[in-house]
Amino acid sequence: GDSVTQMEGPVTLSEEAFLTINCTYTATGYPSLFWYVQYPGEGLQLLLKATKADDKGSNKGFEATYRKETTSFHLEKGSVQVSDSAVYFCALSASGGSYIPTFGRGTSLIVHP
Amino acid sequence: DTAVSQTPKYLVTQMGNDKSIKCEQNLGHDTMYWYKQDSKKFLKIMFSYNNKELIINETVPNRFSPKSPDKAHLNLHINSLELGDSAVYFCASSQWDDGYTFGSGTRLTVV
Repeated sequence: GDSVTQMEGPVTLSEEAFLTINCTYTATGYPSLFWYVQYPGEGLQLLLKATKADDKGSNKGFEATYRKETTSFHLEKGSVQVSDSAVYFCALSASGGSYIPTFGRGTSLIVHP
Repeated sequence: DTAVSQTPKYLVTQMGNDKSIKCEQNLGHDTMYWYKQDSKKFLKIMFSYNNKELIINETVPNRFSPKSPDKAHLNLHINSLELGDSAVYFCASSQWDDGYTFGSGTRLTVV
């Protein structure tokens, strides 16, 4: 079945550091890929998405590129802020009509001033 | 104007009680979901409804019963609550493959 693997956290960075959170997936067909962010005490929010190979999703300074050859969708940001501290979830939505996403286990990011 | 709203935000109750969580979306989405998030942030899908029809019913105790009176509402009723039911429950909605919109969650604590 479909699966998403994210790097274990927490990831701890200083403000203005470069961020990478790794995500790899296993799926049949051509899934859509997503990153969601969950701030403390809130629900998940869609951060960015990519629907086909080589697409780059971007939002709020975050980027991720759909790499079919390496089945990856790594999340990056050039300069993190304290306000980026949250849990980040990678997810895929399989092709074929069901659109029920498979979520990774989440990666906690802690940014220190 | 909240897109997916769920109530209550917090729910503290004793073992054995019956409780309900309500969810409403004003996005016009056809599909709604209930997810359970445990203390380690792991998300587990419980149910999914498409236009009031149940399309996903994962391995969940039958003490949990979803009800969708119309496509904008999906409620979750839980009978005979147990300590292990303590978690955060999220309602979400989606339309096609555009991604989910989540509610802010209901933190259920069973004592």
